[in-house]
Amino acid sequence: NAGVTQTPKFQVLKTGQSMTLQCAQDMNHNSMYWYRQDPGMGLRLIYYSASEGTTDKGEVPNGYNVSRLNKREFSLRLESAAPSQTSVYFCASSGTGTGGQPQHFGDGTRLSIL
Amino acid sequence: QKEVEQDPGPLSVPEGAIVSLNCTYSNSAFQYFMWYRQYSRKGPELLMYTYSSGNKEDGRFTAQVDKSSKYISLFIRDSQPSDSATYLCAMSGGGGYNKLIFGAGTRLAVHP
Repeated sequence: NAGVTQTPKFQVLKTGQSMTLQCAQDMNHNSMYWYRQDPGMGLRLIYYSASEGTTDKGEVPNGYNVSRLNKREFSLRLESAAPSQTSVYFCASSGTGTGGQPQHFGDGTRLSIL
Repeated sequence: QKEVEQDPGPLSVPEGAIVSLNCTYSNSAFQYFMWYRQYSRKGPELLMYTYSSGNKEDGRFTAQVDKSSKYISLFIRDSQPSDSATYLCAMSGGGGYNKLIFGAGTRLAVHP
């Protein structure tokens, strides 16, 4: 029972480089999310996908793009990395309902931008 | 003002103590309340889930919601060193795309 799997676990980039963070879930969930977690800031939503084929901006979308590849996979891309994007990135998934569906998280990708 | 306020701690208690963790919120539309536990270098894992006001108990853990005061609590009885983690509250109003609002998390250390 893998749940939500994120790759890679760690990454160091130089300013201006690009990279894609991968996320896959095996719980047949419709909705998927990308968060960043910074000290003292809690979890902040970057982008979400309510269902396959749709994506929408969250609280802090600038500098990121996403792709909902299929029902299982949701990727986050940094086109031109900046030091301010140094953070821990979490992917989550949830079922769909009238709201209040608990989200299930992966173990994160620790990203450092030099 | 943040929608959800949570004291970051750290909170340090001896093994066996009763721990009380709290969050306050400002949005009266919140109906669903959750507590997540996050170990170091791991993702948040769902610990407790409650709807509307009232109490919910699961083993050593009790979640309380007081909507009139916009205040939620998590109690841990007979705390163990394995409870040492960061605890995040989260809440949602329902509807829409299931947006969760998280508190910043309280770091708890239970020492033997």
